[in-house]
Amino acid sequence: EDKVVQSPLSLVVHEGDTVTLNCSYEVTNFRSLLWYKQEKKAPTFLFMLTSSGIEKKSGRLSSILDKKELFSILNITATQTGDSAVYLCAVSPTASKLTFGTGTRLQVTL
Amino acid sequence: DAGITQSPRYKITETGRQVTLMCHQTWSHSYMFWYRQDLGHGLRLIYYSAAADITDKGEVPDGYVVSRSKTENFPLTLESATRSQTSVYFCASSERADGELFFGEGSRLTVL
Repeated sequence: EDKVVQSPLSLVVHEGDTVTLNCSYEVTNFRSLLWYKQEKKAPTFLFMLTSSGIEKKSGRLSSILDKKELFSILNITATQTGDSAVYLCAVSPTASKLTFGTGTRLQVTL
Repeated sequence: DAGITQSPRYKITETGRQVTLMCHQTWSHSYMFWYRQDLGHGLRLIYYSAAADITDKGEVPDGYVVSRSKTENFPLTLESATRSQTSVYFCASSERADGELFFGEGSRLTVL
C-alpha cells in the first residue's frame, strides 16, 4: 500500500524562526512529489519535485528531494505569521493520482 | 472568472438522502478529481476522471457515484448519505494526473 508520512504532526514557532518539515514515502512507483499549503480553504501548490538533490526555491520557502532515502524536506526561513497553515505532501505513484500525507500544522506566533 | 468552483459550499442533510456536489472548471483541464478531507486522514481520493466519459475509482469510492458527460463538469453524488460521509469535499483539476492540482474551495457536508 502506498504511504506518505509527514512529521512533525504540528509545531509552534516564533516569528523569525526557521522550520523544517519532513515527508517520507513508500510507493510502488515514483513519478513526482508535491508540496501544498492549506490555510483555511483549498490547498495551494508550492513545489513539484521529480529529481534528487535539486533544490526548488520560492522566496523564503525551499524544498529538496532524496529519492534514495525516499524523503523530502520543506524549509521555511524567517517565518511570518502568514506562514501559519497546514503543509501537505503528496506523491504520485502512478500517472493518474496523488497520495497525500496527513499534513503538518504550523503555527507561527509573534 | 476562470477557475474551479464547487457548489454548494455548505450542506446539511439526513441519513439516507441523496446529495449531489457540483464541480465546474473553466480551464478545460483533462483531469478532475474528488477528494475528501477528514481529521487524521488527510486528503483521500474518491474518484477521478481522465477525460469526459472516463472515470475511475480512487482510494475510498464506496457510497459515491460520479459522472463526466462534459469536460468542465464533474458532479459527485452520494446515493444514500451516511454519517460517515460527513466531511469536507474538494474537487480539483489538472492538465496532468501527476502534476499540479488546482483545488476548489471545498464543500462541507454534514450528514445527520
